[in-house]
Amino acid sequence: EADIYQTPRYLVIGTGKKITLECSQTMGHDKMYWYQQDPGMELHLIHYSYGVNSTEKGDLSSESTVSRIRTEHFPLTLESARPSHTSQYLCASRQIGQQETQYFGPGTRLLVL
Amino acid sequence: DQQVKQNSPSLSVQEGRISILNCDYTNSMFDYFLWYKKYPAEGPTFLISISSIKDKNEDGRFTVFLNKSAKHLSLHIVPSQPGDSAVYFCAAGIIQGAQKLVFGQGTRLTINP
Repeated sequence: EADIYQTPRYLVIGTGKKITLECSQTMGHDKMYWYQQDPGMELHLIHYSYGVNSTEKGDLSSESTVSRIRTEHFPLTLESARPSHTSQYLCASRQIGQQETQYFGPGTRLLVL
Repeated sequence: DQQVKQNSPSLSVQEGRISILNCDYTNSMFDYFLWYKKYPAEGPTFLISISSIKDKNEDGRFTVFLNKSAKHLSLHIVPSQPGDSAVYFCAAGIIQGAQKLVFGQGTRLTINP
């Protein structure tokens, strides 16, 4: 089991603002992921990382960017938030070499007005 | 093109009975599969997984069955309990590489007392 933390849990913000969603895990997991989920829909992968200084875009195109400067930290940034960015953002991690389970954080619900 | 499909958006089951949730996939490259449980405004919680070399995996009240020829998997919960009411997602992945997961749309399970 992984301890994954996401902050903030809820965020209401105006259009044009820059936001950073935080994701941290304490298990030293190498791989980390960001998913986006709209209500009633499936989760879509938007970013992932193999490890420090490694970031890749996921299957769903996203205007957000990510960074991986430390193993435990994988923040997601939106330079200019828009109403179309309103969604739930879920962070996950897993350890290379172990079973393939990804463990998720509690998520951030973002509402852009 | 949706590679993982859960065709039943909702399912209602009486407490104590068996709940059966179904999932179909199209990509024959998938070699492991997972089930997650999710409450609103929370992250998915891992339930059970299965590798493509197996056709059944059991963990307590949860059993996952995999039919590779039909590209179909199912999750059985028995006996069903009120706390099982949630949205259930199946996910599929490929062990090699990034281990990205592809999710179905989810099935909302309601357990009636």
